Amino acid sequence: DSGVTQTPKHLITATGQRVTLRCSPRSGDLSVYWYQQSLDQGLQFLIQYYNGEERAKGNILERFSAQQFPDLHSELNLSSLELGDSALYFCASSPRGGSYEQYFGPGTRLTVT
Amino acid sequence: GENVEQHPSTLSVQEGDSAVIKCTYSDSASNYFPWYKQELGKRPQLIIDIRSNVGEKKDQRIAVTLNKTAKHFSLHITETQPEDSAVYFCAAPMTNEKLTFGTGTRLTIIP
Repeated sequence: DSGVTQTPKHLITATGQRVTLRCSPRSGDLSVYWYQQSLDQGLQFLIQYYNGEERAKGNILERFSAQQFPDLHSELNLSSLELGDSALYFCASSPRGGSYEQYFGPGTRLTVT
Repeated sequence: GENVEQHPSTLSVQEGDSAVIKCTYSDSASNYFPWYKQELGKRPQLIIDIRSNVGEKKDQRIAVTLNKTAKHFSLHITETQPEDSAVYFCAAPMTNEKLTFGTGTRLTIIP
């Protein structure tokens, strides 16, 4: 167990809908990262937050947005969902803003039908 | 562009033999190189990492070597066991400090 929690574990929804994925980092970690992993694919970096502020952006679609709250938990919002958005979404946390050791949560499996 | 190349994409070895996975990176300023193991449907787990001020690090049957001049780093697993079967990802930090992951190596240990 990495200490990073994600909810929900599974999510099934229809095209065009909007969902929110939630992540709580390890106690004391200030950075949260979001990744997308499609079937048999690598980890695509979406976005990073550090102590409430956006720190880095990757290949995140405009339909997706995220935020980090004062208690350091983070939410990833996915809207106007398409079939191709079906994937595993991981968040990871690390103590500082740099690319030091990142600890991954168990992931949320999103299925868009 | 900034990327991390990982080879091979698949690797099968006999139980007890060694496995080696290699990565190259493009950003010469990269200074931290982790390796993650991901079992099917599970989260990536950090198994070992190395910083640029050392050339090798070992942890029991796992070792990582780094050649900063050539911008290569490798994962070595000795005395492989069935539970080593998984997908392994290397990573390196690029600009904006974000980790860029390799495309993964599916390692299969043949009993």
